[in-house]
Amino acid sequence: NAGVMQNPRHLVRRRGQEARLRCSPMKGHSHVYWYRQLPEEGLKFMVYLQKENIIDESGMPKERFSAEFPKEGPSILRIQQVVRGDSAAYFCASSRQSTGDTYGYTFGSGTRLTVV
Amino acid sequence: GNSVTQMEGPVTLSEEAFLTINCTYTATGYPSLFWYVQYPGEGLQLLLKATKADDKGSNKGFEATYRKETTSFHLEKGSVQVSDSAVYFCALTPFGNEKLTFGTGTRLTIIP
Repeated sequence: NAGVMQNPRHLVRRRGQEARLRCSPMKGHSHVYWYRQLPEEGLKFMVYLQKENIIDESGMPKERFSAEFPKEGPSILRIQQVVRGDSAAYFCASSRQSTGDTYGYTFGSGTRLTVV
Repeated sequence: GNSVTQMEGPVTLSEEAFLTINCTYTATGYPSLFWYVQYPGEGLQLLLKATKADDKGSNKGFEATYRKETTSFHLEKGSVQVSDSAVYFCALTPFGNEKLTFGTGTRLTIIP
């Protein structure tokens, strides 16, 4: 049973390019969360998705950032026209559909984005 | 809003020393509380959790007790090892399977 798979592991983009980060949740998990970790800081929530739906995007920057979780395939976090301040580690987590119990999330190993 | 305040780091201890990393929280309702560990270059791993008042989470010799009266969830270990060197994050969710709110993390270094 593979864990949460994120790719690429490392991504280098020039300023102005687009970055696409992929996340495949654990088997049986229908909830996906994206977090950003800036250097020497804790993780900050960005967006929470279920299949084909964005449930909570309160942590997403208003411009250039978007996320999707299609019916088939991985969740995608897209950053358009990247700037140096977007350099960070982006982590995806997944969880099972709630049944009233509390399950811990399973995190992927992250994508480290460097904007040059 | 929800927030987590963690003990400032970095923390450096000798092997076999006693460890405490303080964590306090602010939340509406009855949150679930977590400790995550991040080893260098890796993602976060769930270390332990507690879902209601007075619950004690434990794993790999680490323990933390959910104290509602003091809104705390301090992490402890009786005898640390070099392999415990990592960054530790305290976190909460207001309800199960919703977004986590993290503390800023505490970097722990254990010296042989």
